Amino acid sequence: GAVVSQHPSWVICKSGTSVKIECRSLDFQATTMFWYRQFPKQSLMLMATSNEGSKATYEQGVEKDKFLINHASLTLSTLTVTSAHPEDSSFYICSAKPGQGNTEAFFGQGTRLTVV
Amino acid sequence: AQSVTQPDIHITVSEGASLELRCNYSYGATPYLFWYVQSPGQGLQLLLKYFSGDTLVQGIKGFEAEFKRSQSSFNLRKPSVHWSDAAEYFCAVGARSSYKLIFGSGTRLLVRP
Repeated sequence: GAVVSQHPSWVICKSGTSVKIECRSLDFQATTMFWYRQFPKQSLMLMATSNEGSKATYEQGVEKDKFLINHASLTLSTLTVTSAHPEDSSFYICSAKPGQGNTEAFFGQGTRLTVV
Repeated sequence: AQSVTQPDIHITVSEGASLELRCNYSYGATPYLFWYVQSPGQGLQLLLKYFSGDTLVQGIKGFEAEFKRSQSSFNLRKPSVHWSDAAEYFCAVGARSSYKLIFGSGTRLLVRP
Protein backbone atom coordinates (compact mmCIF):
# COMPACT_ATOMS: atom_id res chain seq x y z
CA GLY A 1 0.00 0.00 0.00
CA ALA A 2 0.79 3.73 0.03
CA VAL A 3 2.14 3.98 -3.49
CA VAL A 4 2.79 7.35 -5.09
CA SER A 5 3.41 7.48 -8.80
CA GLN A 6 5.06 10.38 -10.52
CA HIS A 7 4.96 10.90 -14.27
CA PRO A 8 7.01 11.35 -16.30
CA SER A 9 10.20 9.97 -14.78
CA TRP A 10 12.24 12.23 -16.98
CA VAL A 11 11.50 14.92 -19.51
CA ILE A 12 13.51 17.11 -21.82
CA CYS A 13 11.94 20.32 -23.05
CA LYS A 14 12.98 23.38 -24.96
CA SER A 15 13.46 26.75 -23.33
CA GLY A 16 10.28 28.75 -23.25
CA THR A 17 7.93 25.79 -23.25
CA SER A 18 5.89 24.49 -20.34
CA VAL A 19 5.99 21.04 -18.87
CA LYS A 20 3.55 19.30 -16.58
CA ILE A 21 4.49 16.74 -13.94
CA GLU A 22 1.84 14.52 -12.38
CA CYS A 23 1.80 13.05 -8.89
CA ARG A 24 -0.76 10.37 -8.15
CA SER A 25 -1.57 8.47 -4.99
CA LEU A 26 -2.54 5.06 -6.31
CA ASP A 27 -4.10 3.36 -3.31
CA PHE A 28 -5.04 6.10 -0.90
CA GLN A 29 -6.60 9.52 -0.83
CA ALA A 30 -4.16 12.33 -0.30
CA THR A 31 -5.59 15.48 1.17
CA THR A 32 -2.16 17.07 1.14
CA MET A 33 0.64 16.79 -1.37
CA PHE A 34 4.07 18.34 -1.26
CA TRP A 35 6.42 19.31 -4.06
CA TYR A 36 10.17 19.33 -3.53
CA ARG A 37 13.06 20.30 -5.74
CA GLN A 38 16.53 18.81 -5.66
CA PHE A 39 19.49 20.33 -7.43
CA PRO A 40 22.34 18.00 -8.43
CA LYS A 41 24.25 16.70 -5.43
CA GLN A 42 22.14 18.80 -3.08
CA SER A 43 19.34 18.29 -0.66
CA LEU A 44 15.62 18.55 -1.20
CA MET A 45 13.90 21.87 -0.74
CA LEU A 46 10.18 22.18 -0.23
CA MET A 47 8.60 24.26 -2.97
CA ALA A 48 4.94 24.18 -2.05
CA THR A 49 2.18 22.41 -0.19
CA SER A 50 -1.06 21.69 -1.96
CA ASN A 51 -4.35 20.79 -0.36
CA GLU A 52 -7.12 19.27 -2.39
CA GLY A 53 -9.54 21.86 -3.66
CA SER A 54 -7.61 24.90 -2.49
CA LYS A 55 -4.73 27.04 -3.62
CA ALA A 56 -1.23 25.82 -3.01
CA THR A 57 0.94 27.41 -0.34
CA TYR A 58 4.35 28.31 -1.71
CA GLU A 59 7.56 28.51 0.26
CA GLN A 60 9.45 31.75 0.38
CA GLY A 61 11.35 32.43 -2.81
CA VAL A 62 9.34 30.08 -5.00
CA GLU A 63 7.61 31.82 -7.90
CA LYS A 64 4.00 30.74 -7.89
CA ASP A 65 3.41 32.01 -11.43
CA LYS A 66 6.26 29.93 -12.70
CA PHE A 67 5.49 26.76 -10.80
CA LEU A 68 1.77 26.21 -11.11
CA ILE A 69 0.34 23.60 -8.78
CA ASN A 70 -3.09 22.11 -9.09
CA HIS A 71 -4.60 19.58 -6.68
CA ALA A 72 -7.98 19.02 -8.24
CA SER A 73 -8.68 15.59 -6.78
CA LEU A 74 -7.75 13.52 -3.76
CA THR A 75 -5.42 11.39 -5.84
CA LEU A 76 -3.79 13.82 -8.25
CA SER A 77 -1.62 16.89 -8.00
CA THR A 78 0.18 18.47 -10.93
CA LEU A 79 3.16 20.79 -11.12
CA THR A 80 3.51 22.83 -14.29
CA VAL A 81 6.79 24.56 -14.94
CA THR A 82 5.88 27.46 -17.19
CA SER A 83 8.21 29.12 -19.67
CA ALA A 84 10.98 26.78 -18.63
CA HIS A 85 14.60 27.91 -18.65
CA PRO A 86 17.79 25.89 -18.26
CA GLU A 87 18.06 26.98 -14.63
CA ASP A 88 14.79 25.15 -13.97
CA SER A 89 16.52 21.89 -14.78
CA SER A 90 16.31 19.84 -11.64
CA PHE A 91 14.89 16.76 -9.97
CA TYR A 92 11.34 17.32 -8.81
CA ILE A 93 9.82 14.99 -6.22
CA CYS A 94 6.32 14.93 -4.86
CA SER A 95 4.98 13.36 -1.71
CA ALA A 96 1.43 12.62 -0.71
CA LYS A 97 -0.01 12.40 2.78
CA PRO A 98 -2.97 10.13 3.43
CA GLY A 99 -5.97 11.98 4.72
CA GLN A 100 -6.47 9.59 7.57
CA GLY A 101 -4.19 8.47 10.32
CA ASN A 102 -1.03 9.83 11.85
CA THR A 103 1.34 8.80 9.13
CA GLU A 104 4.02 10.38 7.06
CA ALA A 105 3.76 11.48 3.46
CA PHE A 106 4.90 8.99 0.84
CA PHE A 107 7.27 9.97 -1.92
CA GLY A 108 7.04 9.49 -5.64
CA GLN A 109 10.04 8.35 -7.61
CA GLY A 110 10.83 11.83 -8.89
CA THR A 111 11.00 13.54 -12.27
CA ARG A 112 14.23 14.63 -13.88
CA LEU A 113 13.59 17.81 -15.88
CA THR A 114 16.17 19.00 -18.37
CA VAL A 115 15.58 22.26 -20.19
CA VAL A 116 17.66 22.77 -23.30
CA ALA B 1 15.39 28.99 12.57
CA GLN B 2 14.48 25.42 11.83
CA SER B 3 17.31 23.41 10.37
CA VAL B 4 18.80 19.97 10.03
CA THR B 5 22.54 19.41 10.08
CA GLN B 6 24.31 16.40 8.70
CA PRO B 7 27.93 17.25 9.42
CA ASP B 8 29.47 14.51 7.29
CA ILE B 9 29.28 15.10 3.55
CA HIS B 10 31.00 11.81 2.74
CA ILE B 11 31.66 8.71 4.79
CA THR B 12 33.61 5.70 3.61
CA VAL B 13 33.42 2.42 5.48
CA SER B 14 34.58 -1.08 4.73
CA GLU B 15 32.01 -3.73 4.02
CA GLY B 16 31.09 -5.44 7.23
CA ALA B 17 32.09 -2.50 9.40
CA SER B 18 29.67 -0.59 11.57
CA LEU B 19 28.18 2.71 10.52
CA GLU B 20 26.89 5.80 12.24
CA LEU B 21 25.53 8.79 10.37
CA ARG B 22 25.01 11.92 12.39
CA CYS B 23 21.99 14.19 12.35
CA ASN B 24 21.27 17.20 14.54
CA TYR B 25 18.28 19.44 14.28
CA SER B 26 17.12 22.82 15.46
CA TYR B 27 13.38 23.01 15.93
CA GLY B 28 10.93 24.82 18.16
CA ALA B 29 9.32 21.66 19.46
CA THR B 30 9.92 17.95 19.13
CA PRO B 31 9.35 17.22 15.48
CA TYR B 32 8.76 14.01 13.65
CA LEU B 33 12.13 12.58 12.58
CA PHE B 34 12.99 10.58 9.51
CA TRP B 35 15.86 8.95 7.69
CA TYR B 36 15.63 8.43 3.94
CA VAL B 37 17.98 6.77 1.48
CA GLN B 38 18.36 7.79 -2.14
CA SER B 39 20.21 5.91 -4.86
CA PRO B 40 21.50 7.92 -7.83
CA GLY B 41 18.68 9.24 -9.98
CA GLN B 42 16.08 7.62 -7.79
CA GLY B 43 13.42 8.77 -5.39
CA LEU B 44 13.50 8.50 -1.63
CA GLN B 45 13.03 5.36 0.38
CA LEU B 46 12.04 5.68 4.01
CA LEU B 47 14.42 3.81 6.32
CA LEU B 48 12.77 4.64 9.61
CA LYS B 49 10.86 7.30 11.48
CA TYR B 50 10.27 8.54 14.99
CA PHE B 51 6.93 9.92 16.00
CA SER B 52 6.78 9.13 19.71
CA GLY B 53 7.45 6.38 22.23
CA ASP B 54 10.61 4.31 22.30
CA THR B 55 13.52 6.53 21.35
CA LEU B 56 15.40 3.66 19.71
CA VAL B 57 13.75 3.05 16.38
CA GLN B 58 14.23 0.03 14.19
CA GLY B 59 14.00 0.39 10.45
CA ILE B 60 14.39 -1.56 7.27
CA LYS B 61 17.60 -3.12 5.98
CA GLY B 62 19.00 -3.51 9.49
CA PHE B 63 19.16 0.22 10.26
CA GLU B 64 18.27 1.78 13.58
CA ALA B 65 18.28 5.32 14.92
CA GLU B 66 18.17 6.81 18.38
CA PHE B 67 16.38 10.01 19.24
CA LYS B 68 18.19 11.97 21.94
CA ARG B 69 16.11 14.94 22.94
CA SER B 70 18.82 16.50 25.12
CA GLN B 71 21.22 16.53 22.18
CA SER B 72 18.65 17.28 19.47
CA SER B 73 20.08 14.35 17.58
CA PHE B 74 18.75 11.44 15.58
CA ASN B 75 21.78 9.42 14.51
CA LEU B 76 21.46 6.49 12.15
CA ARG B 77 23.35 3.26 12.82
CA LYS B 78 23.94 -0.09 11.23
CA PRO B 79 26.10 -2.79 12.81
CA SER B 80 27.41 -4.27 9.56
CA VAL B 81 27.37 -2.41 6.26
CA HIS B 82 26.75 -4.15 2.96
CA TRP B 83 28.02 -2.95 -0.40
CA SER B 84 24.41 -2.32 -1.45
CA ASP B 85 24.10 0.31 1.28
CA ALA B 86 26.20 2.74 -0.76
CA ALA B 87 23.86 5.67 -1.41
CA GLU B 88 22.93 9.14 -0.22
CA TYR B 89 21.28 9.36 3.18
CA PHE B 90 19.03 12.20 4.24
CA CYS B 91 17.84 13.07 7.69
CA ALA B 92 14.62 15.06 7.82
CA VAL B 93 12.39 16.67 10.41
CA GLY B 94 8.71 17.25 9.97
CA ALA B 95 6.20 19.50 11.62
CA ARG B 96 3.69 17.54 13.67
CA SER B 97 0.90 19.71 12.36
CA SER B 98 1.69 19.88 8.67
CA TYR B 99 4.15 17.05 7.89
CA LYS B 100 6.23 19.50 5.85
CA LEU B 101 9.78 18.18 5.81
CA ILE B 102 13.07 19.98 6.24
CA PHE B 103 15.95 17.93 4.93
CA GLY B 104 19.56 17.84 5.90
CA SER B 105 22.20 18.27 3.24
CA GLY B 106 22.76 14.54 2.99
CA THR B 107 25.63 12.16 3.64
CA ARG B 108 27.06 10.11 0.82
CA LEU B 109 28.05 6.65 1.97
CA LEU B 110 30.78 4.83 0.10
CA VAL B 111 31.48 1.19 0.90
CA ARG B 112 34.92 -0.32 0.39
CA PRO B 113 35.00 -3.96 -0.67
